[in-house]
Amino acid sequence: DAGVTQSPTHLIKTRGQQVTLRCSPKSGHDTVSWYQQALGQGPQFIFQYYEEEERQRGNFPDRFSGHQFPNYSSELNVNALLLGDSALYLCASSIGQGASNSPLHFGNGTRLTVT
Amino acid sequence: GENVEQHPSTLSVQEGDSAVIKCTYSDSASNYFPWYKQELGKRPQLIIDIRSNVGEKKDQRIAVTLNKTAKHFSLHITETQPEDSAVYFCAGTPSGSARQLTFGSGTQLTVLP
Repeated sequence: DAGVTQSPTHLIKTRGQQVTLRCSPKSGHDTVSWYQQALGQGPQFIFQYYEEEERQRGNFPDRFSGHQFPNYSSELNVNALLLGDSALYLCASSIGQGASNSPLHFGNGTRLTVT
Repeated sequence: GENVEQHPSTLSVQEGDSAVIKCTYSDSASNYFPWYKQELGKRPQLIIDIRSNVGEKKDQRIAVTLNKTAKHFSLHITETQPEDSAVYFCAGTPSGSARQLTFGSGTQLTVLP
C-alpha cells in the first residue's frame, strides 16, 4: 500500500521563476493539504483541496496556487519565486476534510531551493 | 488565529529516562491535538493524538495529556531509547477548523546512550 508520494524530491530554481510540485495521496485518501516547512520550523498550512476545489487557505500570497485532479492527486504551483520560498514543501493526505476525523499522512516532501 | 507555542526547543535525556514536551495554544475552539515525530530528512509521522473531550491518552511508552482550562497539552515519553531521538511537533486546529493544523516550532529530542 503506497503512502503519500511527492515529486521531485529536490529542485533548484532561480528567483522569479515558476515551479510545480506534485503529490499523489495515500491509497483511499481523497483530500490533499500542502504545508511549507522552513528550516528549523514547524510546517505551515498553505491550502487544502477536496473534491477538486480549494477548501481552505492559510496566510500565503496568491503566488501560491494549486489544483486537484479527479484521481485525487494534486499540484502546488508557485509563481515569481522569492529567496524566502526556499523550504521543504510537504503534501499530506487524509479522508474527508476534517483533520480530527482522519489524521494527516505526510509525504517525504520536495526540497525547493531558490537562488 | 491559532498560535501554538512549544517548549523546550531542545531536550537531552539519558537513555531510560523520561522526556516531557509542552505546548500551549491560544484558540479555545481548538479541539484536536496531534503530535508528530520527524527524523532527519524524513516525513513527519503521527505518533499520538488527542481530542478535546479526553484528558489523557496513552500508547505504550507514549502519553499525551490535555488541560483545556489552561489551554496546554504535553507529550510524555517514558523509558526513552536512542531511536526516540528526533524532532517532535505538536499541533492544534485553529477555530476548531478541521481542515488545517497549526504546528508548534518543534523540539529536538536527543536520547544519550
